[in-house]
Amino acid sequence: QQQVKQSPQSLIVQKGGISIINCAYENTAFDYFPWYQQFPGKGPALLIAIRPDVSEKKEGRFTISFNKSAKQFSLHIMDSQPGDSATYFCAAARVGGSYIPTFGRGTSLIVHP
Amino acid sequence: DTAVSQTPKYLVTQMGNDKSIKCEQNLGHDTMYWYKQDSKKFLKIMFSYNNKELIINETVPNRFSPKSPDKAHLNLHINSLELGDSAVYFCASSRHGADNEKLFFGSGTQLSVL
Repeated sequence: QQQVKQSPQSLIVQKGGISIINCAYENTAFDYFPWYQQFPGKGPALLIAIRPDVSEKKEGRFTISFNKSAKQFSLHIMDSQPGDSATYFCAAARVGGSYIPTFGRGTSLIVHP
Repeated sequence: DTAVSQTPKYLVTQMGNDKSIKCEQNLGHDTMYWYKQDSKKFLKIMFSYNNKELIINETVPNRFSPKSPDKAHLNLHINSLELGDSAVYFCASSRHGADNEKLFFGSGTQLSVL
């Protein structure tokens, strides 16, 4: 059972464009929604995260939009750059306790110069 | 200093062999994990240890055995390696409690079983 569904599987955008990756979750107990960025040959690294008490969080060119009623959240990368080319994972977790993040299946982003 | 370090980076071995992957974290975290990433990049949790005690053991063959000698180390031993074990294995750590959702990953061990 896949608790976090991520789309698209792959995404190609031109430099300067907007990249959008979507995720949907099922478990309403989740209350923390991070995005991880993974470059080839490296481990995933936390990029940005949001809690459900806000609908949007922005850090530089990266923005998370969160829709609690629809149980969906998305990552927007504004002014996409070739250096943003990586695999992006959304995840969902429960703060505290022994729960661990459940990951989406990843989106491979390629930004063409 | 690397926060979460794994060795070796690459591991090529024959079917049926036994191998180990080592992981160490210097972040002072008390929870450590092993994830398996397949060729399609899917990240699957295998084990989670908190203060040297196993707290999560997903449906992993018992050929895989984690060992945690102390809070800073979580090693993965694999017996009788099979072709399907080929993947990238990531160690990760977190601080149990309020920040347990923030994972810090190592750079991975690419295991190739021939």
